[in-house]
Amino acid sequence: NAGVTQTPKFRILKIGQSMTLQCTQDMNHNYMYWYRQDPGMGLKLIYYSVGAGITDKGEVPNGYNVSRSTTEDFPLRLELAAPSQTSVYFCASSPERTGWETQYFGPGTRLLVL
Amino acid sequence: KNQVEQSPQSLIILEGKNCTLQCNYTVSPFSNLRWYKQDTGRGPVSLTIMTFSENTKSNGRYTATLDADTKQSSLHITASQLSDSASYICVVSGGTGANNLFFGTGTRLTVIP
Repeated sequence: NAGVTQTPKFRILKIGQSMTLQCTQDMNHNYMYWYRQDPGMGLKLIYYSVGAGITDKGEVPNGYNVSRSTTEDFPLRLELAAPSQTSVYFCASSPERTGWETQYFGPGTRLLVL
Repeated sequence: KNQVEQSPQSLIILEGKNCTLQCNYTVSPFSNLRWYKQDTGRGPVSLTIMTFSENTKSNGRYTATLDADTKQSSLHITASQLSDSASYICVVSGGTGANNLFFGTGTRLTVIP
């Protein structure tokens, strides 16, 4: 049981490039989330999914896209990287809506856009 | 506006000493409050979850308190260890939207020998 795994751990992008951040969980959780964490700031929700085929925007979705074709995978796509997207990205999952359930976080992907 | 504020922003203590971290929130309606520990370069890990009816909850050397009337919580760390050096994030669940988690900016704790 690996929990939540993310790849890559670190990436440098040039402005305008695109990339996909991968996230996989093996706990059969329905809910999955993408957050970004900027220095000195709290985690901001980018997108979330309540199950395969269902996604919805969070607080800061602009510049990102997601898909959820399986329960296990929830990739985050950056189409045209901008310096403002330099951040640490965390994927998380939980069994149900996080009113009562603990979220389990991945180790994060550190992204630098130059 | 639903907000979570933590203090202090950072804290340095000697190994073996105790410390208390604070969390104030304005999230309504309130569901529960959780404390996470985030080691450098890692994702947050849950320490404790507190519901409306719980005043105190312990997890080893960590003791969390909740005053739902004043909307305040604290995390007390006893006999600190070097491994306690991390950021501690207060997260409040509530509100009325689908995005029902509100994160504080964290307190950065450094324990020195």
